[in-house]
Amino acid sequence: DARVTQTPRHKVTEMGQEVTMRCQPILGHNTVFWYRQTMMQGLELLAYFRNRAPLDDSGMPKDRFSAEMPDATLATLKIQPSEPRDSAVYFCASGGYRDREGGYGYTFGSGTRLTVV
Amino acid sequence: TQLLEQSPQFLSIQEGENLTVYCNSSSVFSSLQWYRQEPGEGPVLLVTVVTGGEVKKLKRLTFQFGDARKDSSLHITAAQPGDTGLYLCAGTRNSGGSNYKLTFGKGTLLTVNP
Repeated sequence: DARVTQTPRHKVTEMGQEVTMRCQPILGHNTVFWYRQTMMQGLELLAYFRNRAPLDDSGMPKDRFSAEMPDATLATLKIQPSEPRDSAVYFCASGGYRDREGGYGYTFGSGTRLTVV
Repeated sequence: TQLLEQSPQFLSIQEGENLTVYCNSSSVFSSLQWYRQEPGEGPVLLVTVVTGGEVKKLKRLTFQFGDARKDSSLHITAAQPGDTGLYLCAGTRNSGGSNYKLTFGKGTLLTVNP
């Protein structure tokens, strides 16, 4: 089965450091999402891209977060500088294809667990 | 304000019992999806419903989309320990160019005890 690959799986960093998370979407999928999951807030949409163009990044703190898609095989999420409140699991998902039911199908990666100390 | 409200938040039952979890909203959705997430992994898509009143079955799981396309339910018959996980509903809305945007509820954490 095709997979969305996220790296690294785990990251521990000190406050103030830059963090870069990477995502390789499934080939042929033209929509890529970045989500953050915490116990308190659940899954929050940070940003998403359609055909590599950013469509919505309103969920992202603009002063420290940035999301890019330099090519169709790579999406990145950067935090600079990182803060303890950024500790969460960050998920990438790709999709935008019509599934058998007529809705849009999405596949999630296994996430990057970020701890900022 | 959460766009999609899921209930209950936590559910612990014995193997063999039936259960229903709910996903409610005041907004209309063009489609609604249910995902299951296991510890350390991303959500996995179970089903998509797109038509008001639609009912879909996936083995022991029955999914229903409300007539007004504002709510959905997931019913599990004869639950098994392998059903344990976080069940998430997510919706897309026809809103200009945002009809790909997937908004999630906070989920129902289900534990099925042997």
